[in-house]
Amino acid sequence: DAKTTQPNSMESNEEEPVHLPCNHSTISGTDYIHWYRQLPSQGPEYVIHGLTSNVNNRMASLAIAEDRKSSTLILHRATLRDAAVYYCIVNYGQNFVFGPGTRLSVLP
Amino acid sequence: GAGVSQTPSNKVTEKGKYVELRCDPISGHTALYWYRQSLGQGPEFLIYFQGTGAADDSGLPNDRFFAVRPEGSVSTLKIQRTERGDSAVYLCASSLTGFAYNEQFFGPGTRLTVL
Repeated sequence: DAKTTQPNSMESNEEEPVHLPCNHSTISGTDYIHWYRQLPSQGPEYVIHGLTSNVNNRMASLAIAEDRKSSTLILHRATLRDAAVYYCIVNYGQNFVFGPGTRLSVLP
Repeated sequence: GAGVSQTPSNKVTEKGKYVELRCDPISGHTALYWYRQSLGQGPEFLIYFQGTGAADDSGLPNDRFFAVRPEGSVSTLKIQRTERGDSAVYLCASSLTGFAYNEQFFGPGTRLTVL
């Protein structure tokens, strides 16, 4: 599975948009890009995933670069509940390889 | 509906003892995964089941770790001769199928402490 690189931490103000970047320069053509987040003392939860095209759901948007070597998770209006560790995962196989993720802090 | 459940939520044991951790996946999910998470790190893959069989056990750290899923639903992770380094949160996840695009639903985890 391809490796991913994310910033260790980011900070945002409440009700402002947040752009969480992820680099995956070794991605292959069949790899999916997944984003999960983990709130304190909970298991990870699904946020969004995509293959080639940008994706939107009720939680977030996923912008995928044309060459697929990077992607950005967009939270349109951060809330205090969005404070979590966000993991970007690139895989084709069944098992996920999690990195250390980005710890997002949301300031009131 | 019910999500993935794991029991116990906490387990404290002594070095050298045997422990069993249980995972109840979402009903109808054929794929089941075990991960281990140490403090400050992302989850680390251990084993993946498709139905009753272990399709990928490449993440099991050594032969003290074993997992079963005899009827294709509930799974048990078994750790023999526990060591202090086994202390971690053990996470279970399930998905509808094993395809890469399927969402994995995670349980709350079992926190294992080996004294």
